[in-house]
Amino acid sequence: DAGVIQSPRHEVTEMGQEVTLRCKPISGHDYLFWYRQTMMRGLELLIYFNNNVPIDDSGMPEDRFSAKMPNASFSTLKIQPSEPRDSAVYFCASMWGDITDTQYFGPGTRLTVL
Amino acid sequence: GENVEQHPSTLSVQEGDSAVIKCTYSDSASNYFPWYKQELGKRPQLIIDIRSNVGEKKDQRIAVTLNKTAKHFSLHITETQPEDSAVYFCAASNKRATNKLIFGTGTLLAVQP
Repeated sequence: DAGVIQSPRHEVTEMGQEVTLRCKPISGHDYLFWYRQTMMRGLELLIYFNNNVPIDDSGMPEDRFSAKMPNASFSTLKIQPSEPRDSAVYFCASMWGDITDTQYFGPGTRLTVL
Repeated sequence: GENVEQHPSTLSVQEGDSAVIKCTYSDSASNYFPWYKQELGKRPQLIIDIRSNVGEKKDQRIAVTLNKTAKHFSLHITETQPEDSAVYFCAASNKRATNKLIFGTGTLLAVQP
C-alpha cells in the first residue's frame, strides 16, 4: 500500500482565496483524521470521520473551515476564505479502528497564505 | 476536556546516554497513551503506545511507563543514537468515548555524536 496520500504537498495562496486540501486514506481504514500543525499551537485535531461520517468537528477553528468525506477513499478540507493565520502544515491520518489504535499520517500539505 | 503537558521542550544528550521525556494528563478517564516521533520535515509516526491496564512496555531501546495515580507517563530511550534526533509527541485518549488524541507540545531531542 502507498500509505496515506495527500495533495498538494505545498500550497501558496493569497489571502481571501479558497484552498482545498485532499487526502486518500489507506485502503480499508475506517477512520480519517485531519490535523493542523503550527509552532504556536502544536498538533491539533480538526475533525475526524468514521465510515465517512463526521464524528467530532470540535477542533474546526471557524466556519471558514469545512471538511467532507464523500466516500471511503477520499476526503477534502476546504478553507474559504483563507487568511494568513491559516498558514500551517495540514496532516491527514487514517486508522483501522477494529484492529489497531495506530494512526498513520500522510506526508502533509504545507499551506502558506500571503 | 483533556489536557496533556509535556516536558522538557528540548533535550540534548550525548550519543549512548539515556533520554527521558515526561507527560502529564488531566482526564482520569484517559486509557490510551501513544508516543509519536517526527523527524524534521516528515510525518509523525507511532513508536510505542501503552494502555492503562499496563504499567510498563518495552520495545528494544524504547520503553514507556505509566503512573495512573499520578496521571503521568514517560518515554525512555536508552543507548541513544544520532538517528533518534527528532521531535517526540506524547498523546492521550479515552478510547471508550472517542478516538480523538490530545497531543502534548512536543520535545525536540538532539543526540550529539
